[in-house]
Amino acid sequence: ETGVTQTPRHLVMGMTNKKSLKCEQHLGHNAMYWYKQSAKKPLELMFVYNFKEQTENNSVPSRFSPECPNSSHLFLHLHTLQPEDSALYLCASSQDKRITDTQYFGPGTRLTVL
Amino acid sequence: GNSVTQMEGPVTLSEEAFLTINCTYTATGYPSLFWYVQYPGEGLQLLLKATKADDKGSNKGFEATYRKETTSFHLEKGSVQVSDSAVYFCALSRGSNYQLIWGAGTKLIIKP
Repeated sequence: ETGVTQTPRHLVMGMTNKKSLKCEQHLGHNAMYWYKQSAKKPLELMFVYNFKEQTENNSVPSRFSPECPNSSHLFLHLHTLQPEDSALYLCASSQDKRITDTQYFGPGTRLTVL
Repeated sequence: GNSVTQMEGPVTLSEEAFLTINCTYTATGYPSLFWYVQYPGEGLQLLLKATKADDKGSNKGFEATYRKETTSFHLEKGSVQVSDSAVYFCALSRGSNYQLIWGAGTKLIIKP
């Protein structure tokens, strides 16, 4: 049990659909992250939230829209995606954004865009 | 800029073999270094970490030593088990934004 849950675990959507990914952490952490994991590529950091405020947006296309209503929940809203957006989307949390902080990951949402 | 380079996989070993997965990094100053592991169908979890030069991180029989002179953080285990089959990621944390910089991952396959 990692303390970070993600739903759904699998999602198939068409290019015109709108869907949302949900992440919840039960660890009392202050920082939350969205990553994209594609085959044979390093993890790509997408967004960082610290105390509910977005602190990083790594040049992510606007078809991905994050939302962090509180320190325990993080959403990723998806609309008009492209097939190359198919990947495993991982959520993570850490106590804070310190250099030594461990990040705790959820199991991911496997997204397929048709 | 900051970067992490890992040996390409997959690495295939027999049970009880000795394991080394190489990781080298490029960074200014004094980064923290991490090894994360991803078992099939799961998210990543921290395996071990080291926060300053010459530190040795260890967990579940795995070890890695922070070598500043060679800018390396190689992962080792003396006797691997089938249950160690997973993808292993090396990462560093550096910079004012404390983002993790990740290697591409090394898939490890252990055969009985």
